[in-house]
Amino acid sequence: SQQGEEDPQALSIQEGENATMNCSYKTSINNLQWYRQNSGRGLVHLILIRSNEREKHSGRLRVTLDTSKKSSSLLITASRAADTASYFCATDEMGANSKLTFGKGITLSVRP
Amino acid sequence: NAGVTQTPKFQVLKTGQSMTLQCAQDMNHEYMSWYRQDPGMGLRLIHYSVGAGITDQGEVPNGYNVSRSTTEDFPLRLLSAAPSQTSVYFCASSYSRPGSGTKNIQYFGAGTRLSVL
Repeated sequence: SQQGEEDPQALSIQEGENATMNCSYKTSINNLQWYRQNSGRGLVHLILIRSNEREKHSGRLRVTLDTSKKSSSLLITASRAADTASYFCATDEMGANSKLTFGKGITLSVRP
Repeated sequence: NAGVTQTPKFQVLKTGQSMTLQCAQDMNHEYMSWYRQDPGMGLRLIHYSVGAGITDQGEVPNGYNVSRSTTEDFPLRLLSAAPSQTSVYFCASSYSRPGSGTKNIQYFGAGTRLSVL
């Protein structure tokens, strides 16, 4: 069953614009993670936010977490063509018996 | 430091054939897992292991076997390949297991692209 559901499914923006991607989930979590996947490659971890944190920054990335709404957002500021990739949220559920659950992903296209 | 290494990168099988997808990590990670990625389905967990000698089923385990005789290696066996197993397979490892309350960042291999005819 899918825990994380990303929104939108696809996003196309101009270089220099900001990209906002959302993830909703259903159960209580220990942490939520965002990963990036370039075409034909494996997933790469971007950022992790714990359940007791509300916001984290890493370079041009900003992640927020609202546990009351069971949602997270990933903001990429000043996007570049190299940010073109698929982005996945993954939830570490409480009592999930050692399983990290991934969403279906968001395809981001950044036009030069 | 190679990280997570998967072999082969590509494979074509005929229905009914068996094969083993190899996965090795050199980070001394306890937790390893196998996922399959299909269009529109995201990543689905096949099997996982929380340490040498311990394996368990994920979301879609049917048709696959795993073993974990060493910390480094976690091979995935397809017993009798079917066209429904055409997919991209990813192996991942992490220092700690999900649900442990610690940071469990997953490190992924580059994937094996499998076609079953």
